[in-house]
Amino acid sequence: AQSVTQPDIHITVSEGASLELRCNYSYGATPYLFWYVQSPGQGLQLLLKYFSGDTLVQGIKGFEAEFKRSQSSFNLRKPSVHWSDAAEYFCAVGFSGGYQKVTFGTGTKLQVIP
Amino acid sequence: ETGVTQTPRHLVMGMTNKKSLKCEQHLGHNAMYWYKQSAKKPLELMFVYSLEERVENNSVPSRFSPECPNSSHLFLHLHTLQPEDSALYLCASSQDIGGPYGYTFGSGTRLTVV
Repeated sequence: AQSVTQPDIHITVSEGASLELRCNYSYGATPYLFWYVQSPGQGLQLLLKYFSGDTLVQGIKGFEAEFKRSQSSFNLRKPSVHWSDAAEYFCAVGFSGGYQKVTFGTGTKLQVIP
Repeated sequence: ETGVTQTPRHLVMGMTNKKSLKCEQHLGHNAMYWYKQSAKKPLELMFVYSLEERVENNSVPSRFSPECPNSSHLFLHLHTLQPEDSALYLCASSQDIGGPYGYTFGSGTRLTVV
């Protein structure tokens, strides 16, 4: 069965520093890949997605992610973190070929310190 | 109004009460979802509807009863809940199921069962 792993439960970075959040998936074919962000007390917001083409995708709020097939990874990056980026980030995986439910990772909570 | 709207935002109910959660989307999406988000647990998919037909019922207890009267509205009827049902209930929609479509989430209903 497909699975998604976010190995980091909690990450702390300084404001202005770069950020990379890890996501690994397990699936035989090329999946659809998503990153979502959730601020406290809110729903999830889609940051970006990948389903084909250029493996480096740009999203909202200055985020980008790179699909690496050889590593089964889809890591999220931002060159300079702002205090407002403090939130929880979820990686998700969907699959082609009719309906198959999207699987969400367990989330990485990002803390930004001044 | 755009996006996905959930009401109420907060709900406290006794174990013998009956209440309903409401979700509305005006995005023209064909698929709608209910998720349960509990502390320290992955997002749990509860129900999936595609064009008002239930596609998935993910082994959810019968005290949760979904209703999808049209493609814009989704309800979750609650009765005789247990304290462990306290959680954030998220509604989401997508253009269709089974494709590279990201989800649009509502802000959720924070449910407390006393």
